Amino acid sequence: EAQVTQNPRYLITVTGKKLTVTCSQNMNHEYMSWYRQDPGLGLRQIYYSMNVEVTDKGDVPEGYKVSRKEKRNFPLILESPSPNQTSLYFCASSLNGVLTGNTIYFGEGSWLTVV
Amino acid sequence: AQSVTQPDIHITVSEGASLELRCNYSYGATPYLFWYVQSPGQGLQLLLKYFSGDTLVQGIKGFEAEFKRSQSSFNLRKPSVHWSDAAEYFCAVYNQGGKLIFGQGTELSVKP
Repeated sequence: EAQVTQNPRYLITVTGKKLTVTCSQNMNHEYMSWYRQDPGLGLRQIYYSMNVEVTDKGDVPEGYKVSRKEKRNFPLILESPSPNQTSLYFCASSLNGVLTGNTIYFGEGSWLTVV
Repeated sequence: AQSVTQPDIHITVSEGASLELRCNYSYGATPYLFWYVQSPGQGLQLLLKYFSGDTLVQGIKGFEAEFKRSQSSFNLRKPSVHWSDAAEYFCAVYNQGGKLIFGQGTELSVKP
């Protein structure tokens, strides 16, 4: 079954404590991306990756890092989380972000609370 | 800059009534447009997409959307709403640079 899997699904953490949200897809997709969803703002792109070792900033990259060492994984790293990063995070993937027409698959979301 | 606007933050319709959710986009080239639905506590599910060709697009769950270039719109419609359609709906535009830009979302409530 085609899947985008995120972990953890729910996390409460404290300000400044580094955390990583993992994302894995089993569809051999080249394109992967992270979004955050906040009330009234919809989904905003944090980072995206067109392929292994290729990452680019989205609209709201501040306070986040990503890496793409292998095709299936695209972890989101919060080096020093702050309360304004409390949000619902989605990972997404598609076959090839350059070739339009490919369906984008989303993970189920990760609820992150920073206190 | 590319953008997507969903003018209605919240809409309430009666079960069995017709539905139209509005979406306007700003994009210089031919847009690639999507509608997603998010049920409470769930991820996003693709309802339909438009890339080219017929401007009336059929999707899952009885939804359809019409692309109108002259109005820069891609409104989502359903002839008869079911209680299970209550959810948040997102319109999005995708550019060839790898960015998927979402609207703010429209929350749909369905009255019995």
